[in-house]
Amino acid sequence: AQTVTQSQPEMSVQEAETVTLSCTYDTSESDYYLFWYKQPPSRQMILVIRQEAYKQQNATENRFSVNFQKAAKSFSLKISDSQLGDAAMYFCAYCRGGSEKLVFGKGTKLTVNP
Amino acid sequence: EPEVTQTPSHQVTQMGQEVILRCVPISNHLYFYWYRQILGQKVEFLVSFYNNEISEKSEIFDDQFSVERPDGSNFTLKIRSTKLEDSAMYFCASSDRGRGGGYTFGSGTRLTVV
Repeated sequence: AQTVTQSQPEMSVQEAETVTLSCTYDTSESDYYLFWYKQPPSRQMILVIRQEAYKQQNATENRFSVNFQKAAKSFSLKISDSQLGDAAMYFCAYCRGGSEKLVFGKGTKLTVNP
Repeated sequence: EPEVTQTPSHQVTQMGQEVILRCVPISNHLYFYWYRQILGQKVEFLVSFYNNEISEKSEIFDDQFSVERPDGSNFTLKIRSTKLEDSAMYFCASSDRGRGGGYTFGSGTRLTVV
């Protein structure tokens, strides 16, 4: 079974600084997708970024970018110029190519200090 | 921006009672999902639904659970006889492209079984 591991239960960053959240996954599939979701205190799950495994280029969305290392099965999220509104739980998720099921990690709680 | 709407935001029910959680997916989306998050734990997949039938379900989704799209806009999750361990946040999600798609999640319904 596929698993997703987020080894950092909590992280903190100073406002305007850069932080990297780690995620590793275990799969024997070659076709899959990876995601980062943000869950602020409002509890809604918000898609931050999506990566297709067949694409070597790392996905970026404004201040959010990923470092996708397929051989190492690593998918870290970098947040640049951190803002107070970035404070949230961040979940890494995996989806096998032939499935619709997202497998989530346990999450990393990010605190942004003013 | 289009939203997935869930009602109610919080529901309290007695053990053994039936509950129906309601969701209005984004109007042009065709793929629908339910996930749950027990407090402090991972977000877990329950079921996916497409073309008026279940396309995939997890081992959690046993005979106590059912889903329905009773009309063109609503998507419901029914729990027939609630147990204490059903207490969780239940998230509805929808997607326009199914497999590998980045879902749009609703804000969740907090279900408390007493």
